[in-house]
Amino acid sequence: DSGVTQTPKHLITATGQRVTLRCSPRSGDLSVYWYQQSLDQGLQFLIQYYNGEERAKGNILERFSAQQFPDLHSELNLSSLELGDSALYFCASSPPRGNTEAFFGQGTRLTVV
Amino acid sequence: LAKTTQPISMDSYEGQEVNITCSHNNIATNDYITWYQQFPSQGPRFIIQGYKTKVTNEVASLFIPADRKSSTLSLPRVSLSDTAVYYCLVGDPMFSGGYNKLIFGAGTRLAVHP
Repeated sequence: DSGVTQTPKHLITATGQRVTLRCSPRSGDLSVYWYQQSLDQGLQFLIQYYNGEERAKGNILERFSAQQFPDLHSELNLSSLELGDSALYFCASSPPRGNTEAFFGQGTRLTVV
Repeated sequence: LAKTTQPISMDSYEGQEVNITCSHNNIATNDYITWYQQFPSQGPRFIIQGYKTKVTNEVASLFIPADRKSSTLSLPRVSLSDTAVYYCLVGDPMFSGGYNKLIFGAGTRLAVHP
């Protein structure tokens, strides 16, 4: 158990819909990272937050948004879903010093039908 | 961030030692080298991190030559359960604020055969 909690574990929804994925980082970790991994593909970095503020942005679509709340949990919002958005979405957290040892959650498997 | 290059795939047999090399020609002075392991449908898991020479833990060894332009992850006596994707990342862990994005490359897909 990495200490990073992601909910829900599985999500099935229809095209055009909007979903919210939630991530609770490890206790004491201030950084949260979001990744998308399509079937048999690599990990695509989406966005990173540090202590409530956006720190870095990767290949995140305009239909996607995220935020980190004062209690440090983070949510990734995906809207106007398309079939191609079906993927595993991972959240990771790391300690305040920005150590490259990050701890990953078990992911949310999103299926868009 | 320094770009990394790894072999796309490797094959091995149970009981053998596996060495996966990562090239990072543009590594910066403050950068550390970190390796992660990922099993199918699971999040990546930290394996080992080093700055120079050799680092060893209960899972693997990491060899880094003096010029630090490459590194080699060594897995001793692999088993079927070591079949996974292995990622090499380079970044500065001392920079506050977690700036380093944690960009993963394509990784090396290791297949261990009976």
